[in-house]
Amino acid sequence: GEDVEQSLFLSVREGDSSVINCTYTDSSSTYLYWYKQEPGAGLQLLTYIFSNMDMKQDQRLTVLLNKKDKHLSLRIADTQTGDSAIYFCAEANRDDKIIFGKGTRLHILP
Amino acid sequence: NAGVTQTPKFRVLKTGQSMTLLCAQDMNHEYMYWYRQDPGMGLRLIHYSVGEGTTAKGEVPDGYNVSRLKKQNFLLGLESAAPSQTSVYFCASSYSVRDRVKNIQYFGAGTRLSVL
Repeated sequence: GEDVEQSLFLSVREGDSSVINCTYTDSSSTYLYWYKQEPGAGLQLLTYIFSNMDMKQDQRLTVLLNKKDKHLSLRIADTQTGDSAIYFCAEANRDDKIIFGKGTRLHILP
Repeated sequence: NAGVTQTPKFRVLKTGQSMTLLCAQDMNHEYMYWYRQDPGMGLRLIHYSVGEGTTAKGEVPDGYNVSRLKKQNFLLGLESAAPSQTSVYFCASSYSVRDRVKNIQYFGAGTRLSVL
């Protein structure tokens, strides 16, 4: 079945780059998304990438997509304390079904 | 433009009690969803709706019922609450024909439910 996998925790020092990885199984994915969940809040879309792209950059965020390996990554440059959150990878398949990963909790070390 | 609004924000129930969680969206979205979030389990889809008057089961529908009588509202009901239903519940909505990128889900702030 369709599945989205990501590691549960990541610790990064303030000012370093954070790289959060995700793998998915459905080769018919149309869009892939990164959502951010801050403490006590709902998920908010951070960025997305269309499946025919391999990279998207938006200020401190870089999304890389390796469609052959079904691997998606989110790089956050110059990580700040405000980036501390849970990051969810998600994919949309051709049937408009959205599959979320379990989320990666990003912890920022001083 | 409020987006997705969930009420209540917090609730404590006793086992066997019933309650309804309300979700309202003002973005004219077609699709609406109810998820529960538990530690280590990520988001699990309970029920969803692809339009007014329609509902469908998600991954974990047992013990819950839903209704979508109006396009902007999606109600989640617990008929007889159990401690296993202690969780944070999120409503989300998506898809209008004007969307350039389909399937972006917009989430409410969540309802924290404890069943004792």
